[in-house]
Parts: sequence; C-alpha cells; structure tokens
Amino acid sequence: AQSVTQLDSQVPVFEEAPVELRCNYSSSVSVYLFWYVQYPNQGLQLLLKYLSGSTLVKGINGFEAEFNKSQTSFHLRKPSVHISDTAEYFCAVRSGGYQKVTFGIGTKLQVIP
Amino acid sequence: EAQVTQNPRYLITVTGKKLTVTCSQNMNHEYMSWYRQDPGLGLRQIYYSMNVEVTDKGDVPEGYKVSRKEKRNFPLILESPSPNQTSLYFCASSLKGASTDTQYFGPGTRLTVL
Repeated sequence: AQSVTQLDSQVPVFEEAPVELRCNYSSSVSVYLFWYVQYPNQGLQLLLKYLSGSTLVKGINGFEAEFNKSQTSFHLRKPSVHISDTAEYFCAVRSGGYQKVTFGIGTKLQVIP
Repeated sequence: EAQVTQNPRYLITVTGKKLTVTCSQNMNHEYMSWYRQDPGLGLRQIYYSMNVEVTDKGDVPEGYKVSRKEKRNFPLILESPSPNQTSLYFCASSLKGASTDTQYFGPGTRLTVL
C-alpha cells in the first residue's frame, strides 16, 4: 500500500518570499515521487519528479524538491515566489511495480502582492 | 500538438440518466487513467488501463465503467449517475504504465448530477 500526506491545505505567502510545501509518503517498496501543479481552471502539469539518483530535484519555474528517505518526505521549495505561482500543488507517489498512482489532497499556494 | 482532450468540459444531468465522458490522446500512450477531484480529498483514481482491452480498478471504481477498444480513447461511463458523483473529472495518459512515467492530464470535465 502507498499513501501521501500533504500537511498544509493552504499556504499564504508574500510575493518574493520563500515557500516550502510539505509532502510525506508511505510505501513498503521503492517509490517514485512527483509534484504536479494545477492552475485555476486547468488540468495538472508536472513540476518535477524524483526517480533515483540525486536527492535534490530541480523542476520548472524555479521549483525544487528534496527526497529524504529517512524522513519519508519530498518537500517542494522555491526561494522567491511570484504572483503567477498562485495555484494548487499536488504531491503524488507511485511504488515500484505498482500501477496505481496516489495523490495527496493538495496544497493551495496563495501569493500575496 | 500533443494533448489529452476530454468532452464535454461541463455537464449537468439528472440522477439515473446514463452518460459518457470521452477522453482521447494523440501521443500513442499505452497507459490511460481516470481521476475525480473533490475538495479536501485531492485526486482519486477511478480506473486505469495499461493498454487496449486491459483495464483495472483504481481506488474509487464504484458506479463507473470504462472501456479501451482503441489505444487513443478511454471513455468513462456512468450507467446511473447519482449526486455523489458530482465532481471534477480528469483523464490522464502516460507512455507506458511504468512507475517512472509522467502523466499528462486533460483539461477536466465538471459534472453536476441533480
């Protein structure tokens, strides 16, 4: 079985401030982790993914995430947010050999001018 | 342009009236999937398909049917919709069903069942 927990349902942050969106996962086998972004009235698109190798993963739009196996976390960060980053962010996990994808409940990032 | 399309984008219907939401992708992807998105629950997988004529249940399959007769199409069928199926539905596809694959999502279908 696999599961994902996004600890914050909403995160307000001022423009140009840093942000961290938290994600913890649970799985009994090797995992592959993803962050997707959903802009208002749109579908989801991939921000970044961790498959193997370096635990620091860089994605689009200046986002990065760090895979921490001991803490079973995959937190998303950006050093300076922009108004256009206002969106909902979803963490997702797929376990090795397991075809289902499990998403977290999402975190709404609200960037305040 | 590589994309996943869904139709209709918006649908209001009544309880018990059968409906189909179509999904099509032009990327020759083998894996396709349906999700529903509800406030506070995130995205939950309804059904997925590894290839033509191969489908399997996700986490919330009750009340839904799917078919995969062609590689590009993966329709979602609600034989007898009920109000608890009011939701935002997304279709997604990926190259194969590998755990490492990125999924590409359609624009969503907002369904209201009265």
